[in-house]
Amino acid sequence: DVKVTQSSRYLVKRTGEKVFLECVQDMDHENMFWYRQDPGLGLRLIYFSYDVKMKEKGDIPEGYSVSREKKERFSLILESASTNQTSMYLCASRRQPNTGELFFGEGSRLTVL
Amino acid sequence: EDQVTQSPEALRLQEGESSSLNCSYTVSGLRGLFWYRQDPGKGPEFLFTLYSAGEEKEKERLKATLTKKESFLHITAPKPEDSATYLCAPYSGGYNKLIFGAGTRLAVHP
Repeated sequence: DVKVTQSSRYLVKRTGEKVFLECVQDMDHENMFWYRQDPGLGLRLIYFSYDVKMKEKGDIPEGYSVSREKKERFSLILESASTNQTSMYLCASRRQPNTGELFFGEGSRLTVL
Repeated sequence: EDQVTQSPEALRLQEGESSSLNCSYTVSGLRGLFWYRQDPGKGPEFLFTLYSAGEEKEKERLKATLTKKESFLHITAPKPEDSATYLCAPYSGGYNKLIFGAGTRLAVHP
């Protein structure tokens, strides 16, 4: 079975702190994604990576950056956390662009005080 | 602007009481639509992909259908273990262009 592991299930940070959310997948998938999920808004794409060191902005990239130095690992970085970034963050991967099925991690719930 | 709306927001059913969830969308250049299931505290889990109007897919008590403007997820004789949030996601212009709906929270009571 494909496994997508997010390093932290729950985090509490203070405004202005730098936050790292890490995601690892074990099935050699090329594409990886970061979404945030908020009540009533659905999942919104923050960043997408189609290969190592390659990234593409999603719909809401402001305030976020990403890093993909190895194929299996995709990190989301909040340079200076703000309260409006309190959310559930979901990482996903897929084998290649021609398949639509995304495999999601269990999510990281971030609270910024 | 591409939009997707799921209704109802929440649905409570008795075990065995069949119903349907709706996903209506306005997406230019639609290439298909995904359905996902999300359990509390978990990430979404893939259920179906539908590629064209008229297509149907089935899995156990679930059947998904697609028209040009909406998709339905029919649940036949549901069981408590079907309780979850169901998300639809039409896509266009590439698989990274999924547009997720806010979901329908389904609760099935014994």
